[in-house]
Amino acid sequence: GAGVSQTPSNKVTEKGKYVELRCDPISGHTALYWYRQSLGQGPEFLIYFQGTGAADDSGLPNDRFFAVRPEGSVSTLKIQRTERGDSAVYLCASSVDSGNTIYFGEGSWLTVV
Amino acid sequence: EDQVTQSPEALRLQEGESSSLNCSYTVSGLRGLFWYRQDPGKGPEFLFTLYSAGEEKEKERLKATLTKKESFLHITAPKPEDSATYLCAAMDSSYKLIFGSGTRLLVRP
Repeated sequence: GAGVSQTPSNKVTEKGKYVELRCDPISGHTALYWYRQSLGQGPEFLIYFQGTGAADDSGLPNDRFFAVRPEGSVSTLKIQRTERGDSAVYLCASSVDSGNTIYFGEGSWLTVV
Repeated sequence: EDQVTQSPEALRLQEGESSSLNCSYTVSGLRGLFWYRQDPGKGPEFLFTLYSAGEEKEKERLKATLTKKESFLHITAPKPEDSATYLCAAMDSSYKLIFGSGTRLLVRP
């Protein structure tokens, strides 16, 4: 596709459940980022991949959050034992390489009830 | 600690009334300063990247400038369709973006 694609666009889950959010970056982009945005706030960094490896995961809030990018393209953000405080928009972004323009997807809106 | 601060938090303008949005940053090893526009329920849309102090970029009614401590987004003769949240982000030495909280702009006809 032409842009960063994220699925699902909306997800409602019960507290304690497991959730996966998928990101399909722009074709050919080697760098991929996950951010989290709460209402009225700017996006907050979670993790950054360069190729298949996590170059920086310093933003992951705790060990319930994990992300993979096994083939250097599609990435999945995984959240275990979801809590109500995890409710937010999860944004994925990609760039052709580190340091270049970063393009964002439309986000996955997660609601934990 | 690396930090990006935007002001004002909200701005209301009449159509045609020019103004500026401010972004102050304290980021070690700055690799670039990014501006994005975000509409409700949408992801951030890229506007500009500035890499060095003194650099300026323009796009339609928007112009972004950069100094060693801050960046400005100047809006000339805005229209109602310019209403959105404008986000500023600094790219740090490890290539991640540090965002401000944004400025919510409302342009009234």
